[in-house]
Amino acid sequence: AQSVSQHNHHVILSEAASLELGCNYSYGGTVNLFWYVQYPGQHLQLLLKYFSGDPLVKGIKGFEAEFIKSKFSFNLRKPSVQWSDTAEYFCAVANSGGGADGLTFGKGTHLIIQP
Amino acid sequence: DAGVIQSPRHEVTEMGQEVTLRCKPISGHNSLFWYRQTMMRGLELLIYFNNNVPIDDSGMPEDRFSAKMPNASFSTLKIQPSEPRDSAVYFCASSLRHYGYTFGSGTRLTVV
Repeated sequence: AQSVSQHNHHVILSEAASLELGCNYSYGGTVNLFWYVQYPGQHLQLLLKYFSGDPLVKGIKGFEAEFIKSKFSFNLRKPSVQWSDTAEYFCAVANSGGGADGLTFGKGTHLIIQP
Repeated sequence: DAGVIQSPRHEVTEMGQEVTLRCKPISGHNSLFWYRQTMMRGLELLIYFNNNVPIDDSGMPEDRFSAKMPNASFSTLKIQPSEPRDSAVYFCASSLRHYGYTFGSGTRLTVV
């Protein structure tokens, strides 16, 4: 079975600080990897995804993530955060074989950006 | 594209009542997923369908929960009878193979 571990449950940063949120997954096969963001009271929105190719993936809103296969990691980064980045961030994994399987999510990281 | 449409947005019901949540996936997507989100358990996959066929319902918590997808444009998640511990936000998502999972706005269910 797949599992996803997000290292930090709560992160508090000041505006303009750099961000890195950790994500590790456990799965024996080939996976597709995702980061979603959930703003307060809203649904999940896709930030970025990795299927294959360049392990450094760029997403929306200035976010990027790096897939390191040897470490089973897919950490999310942003060089300079803004107050509007305050949200819950979820890392997710899906089996890449065959038809679409459900996403397995991490527990999420609650990010608070202080002005 | 209207995205994944869920109804109702909010539902408050009394314990023991039947609750039906509805989802309209994105046209052309061939997979549909039901998730439940709570503070304690995070996001849990309840069930998913490929081409209207239920593939994995191992996440459905109890027999009180059932889901159907009678056609490619509609799915329901039913809870009968409902209990206070079913209170959560229920999300529907759809996907075309792996090319991105799009989530609906969710239904916030409160069982009193």
